[in-house]
Amino acid sequence: EVQLVQSGAEVKKPGESLKISCKGSGYSFTSYWIGWVRQMPGKGLEWMGIIYPGDSDTRYSPSFQGQVTISADKSISTAYLQWSSLKASDTAMYYCVRSPALTNWFDPWGQGTLVTVSS
Amino acid sequence: QSVLTQPPSVSAAPGQKVTISCSGSSSNIGNNYVSWYQQLPGTAPKLLIYDNNKRPSGIPDRFSGSKSGTSATLGITGLQTGDEADYYCGTWDSSLSAAVFGGGTKLTVL
Repeated sequence: EVQLVQSGAEVKKPGESLKISCKGSGYSFTSYWIGWVRQMPGKGLEWMGIIYPGDSDTRYSPSFQGQVTISADKSISTAYLQWSSLKASDTAMYYCVRSPALTNWFDPWGQGTLVTVSS
Repeated sequence: QSVLTQPPSVSAAPGQKVTISCSGSSSNIGNNYVSWYQQLPGTAPKLLIYDNNKRPSGIPDRFSGSKSGTSATLGITGLQTGDEADYYCGTWDSSLSAAVFGGGTKLTVL
């Protein structure tokens, strides 16, 4: 079974750094893109960016460029989303997603990681 | 403001049919495939339709997708209370070089 399993919920203070993870299993991790999608409380879906673990080719949405860093460690089939300095507005659910190509659909979705940033 | 436009809500009675529209432009829907996602309350989204009108394994044929020009439509027949969810369309935007989603449509089965 193809699965993406994300790390657990996080509670952080503004200004702190954070790295959340997404582990893929049941397929060839280096043959599919892994993307990240943000969903703020009560809001819709926003695509943040995507990485191809096979060669680390990474693309970002213009809205998130410079705000986050996406990376992957293919030796452990895990992708990451990280922040160097969190803001209260980063409070959201973050989903990782698998895609067969850069411009394609997303399936499956990880279970989500809730990030809460509050002083 | 989302790049793709969906109605905020739709409703219909059990057993009836409903359609959800998704409107875009030539830089996104007009020249790229559309996918649809279902998000049940409190859960992660799930792929319903890909490549405009294809259903992944396990998705019942009550769900269908179509595309014409710069608009796409999701159809659901034989509505069930378990279909109550938020539905999102998505595609690639060639001008933004980014994937984009619609704002989502809340389906209520009365």
